[in-house]
Amino acid sequence: KQEVTQIPAALSVPEGENLVLNCSFTDSAIYNLQWFRQDPGKGLTSLLLIQSSQREQTSGRLNASLDKSSGRSTLYIAASQPGDSATYLCAYFSGNTPLVFGKGTRLSVIA
Amino acid sequence: DAGITQSPRYKITETGRQVTLMCHQTWSHSYMFWYRQDLGHGLRLIYYSAAADITDKGEVPDGYVVSRSKTENFPLTLESATRSQTSVYFCASTPGVSWGNEKLFFGSGTQLSVL
Repeated sequence: KQEVTQIPAALSVPEGENLVLNCSFTDSAIYNLQWFRQDPGKGLTSLLLIQSSQREQTSGRLNASLDKSSGRSTLYIAASQPGDSATYLCAYFSGNTPLVFGKGTRLSVIA
Repeated sequence: DAGITQSPRYKITETGRQVTLMCHQTWSHSYMFWYRQDLGHGLRLIYYSAAADITDKGEVPDGYVVSRSKTENFPLTLESATRSQTSVYFCASTPGVSWGNEKLFFGSGTQLSVL
């Protein structure tokens, strides 16, 4: 069964800290991996999409990397802010079925 | 406004009743999806559609019915609601021109409670 694991399930950091969220997956033949943000009571917003031919993508203070051989992706958030508090989910597409999602990491950035 | 909208935002119903959740997108995206989100299970795919009149089952399709007569609409029907179908339901879409290399766009969700 295709699985995505996100560790830790929850994380609390002080404002200004750099942090890394982890995502691991079991399918090595992925086409792409996406990172999403979900605010309480809201839908998901796609932050970054990394195609299988790419190693990383950057958007502002966010950087996502992809290592297909090890089945891992990381989301790096620089200089965290209270507004970054949300749940972050990763999901991959392997070509056979729609996106397979992890359960997310709930991030709290404390001012 | 352009985008993907779901209605209703909240719904309370009783076991055994039929319920339909609506999803409408204004982008003319080919692919549309229904997910449910539950604590401990994350997001699970119920059904998806590649185009009008083309639908396929996801991970948890039992008890649900979908249709897609028009590209912009993708309603989800619970034929006879059960308590286990209490959940938050999300509709999503993606262009489908290069499926797998395009971002997925989500609606705001419908919170359904089955009493």
